[in-house]
Amino acid sequence: DGGITQSPKYLFRKEGQNVTLSCEQNLNHDAMYWYRQDPGQGLRLIYYSQIVNDFQKGDIAEGYSVSREKKESFPLTVTSAQKNPTAFYLCASSISQGIQPQHFGDGTRLSIL
Amino acid sequence: AQSVSQHNHHVILSEAASLELGCNYSYGGTVNLFWYVQYPGQHLQLLLKYFSGDPLVKGIKGFEAEFIKSKFSFNLRKPSVQWSDTAEYFCAVNDRYGGATNKLIFGTGTLLAVQP
Repeated sequence: DGGITQSPKYLFRKEGQNVTLSCEQNLNHDAMYWYRQDPGQGLRLIYYSQIVNDFQKGDIAEGYSVSREKKESFPLTVTSAQKNPTAFYLCASSISQGIQPQHFGDGTRLSIL
Repeated sequence: AQSVSQHNHHVILSEAASLELGCNYSYGGTVNLFWYVQYPGQHLQLLLKYFSGDPLVKGIKGFEAEFIKSKFSFNLRKPSVQWSDTAEYFCAVNDRYGGATNKLIFGTGTLLAVQP
């Protein structure tokens, strides 16, 4: 079955370290997204990519970076500049840029020690 | 800026009770509206959506939602809930004519627990 794979499920890092979260999809979808979920705040868009080699900032991009070198992969790097990185991160995809997110991954819970 | 409010954070119902989850949005333009659901241990998935036309939309598993433009609302309803409806429900909105129509704004979610 096609879907989105996020890894790892849980991630622990020391303060000041950059960390990269993986998101892979085998759905042949053009668009991919990264959301952050905090208790009581819903899902907030970090970055999105409409197509390979293109990405745009979402609502809370500061302290994060992404790349989209391959259609199936959209890794998210949480940099040391992100002031409060401990959160649950969700990756999503849609078949094209005009369509809302259709598939979501299981998420990665990042904890900064 | 757009925002979405879900006023019920936790809802507990008995089986066969009727359900209505509130969703209000703030945006002056034309929007598309969505409800997503996340069942325990499963991925977030689309429950139903409204783009245009009949403001009463039907989704999967007997859910429906009504778009009331004058109230900026898109409440989710189900006449008779089942234990299997226990999940977290998210309302979302996007700008229909904005530059990135796939850019969603989500509400904070409502956790529904249905007691057998």
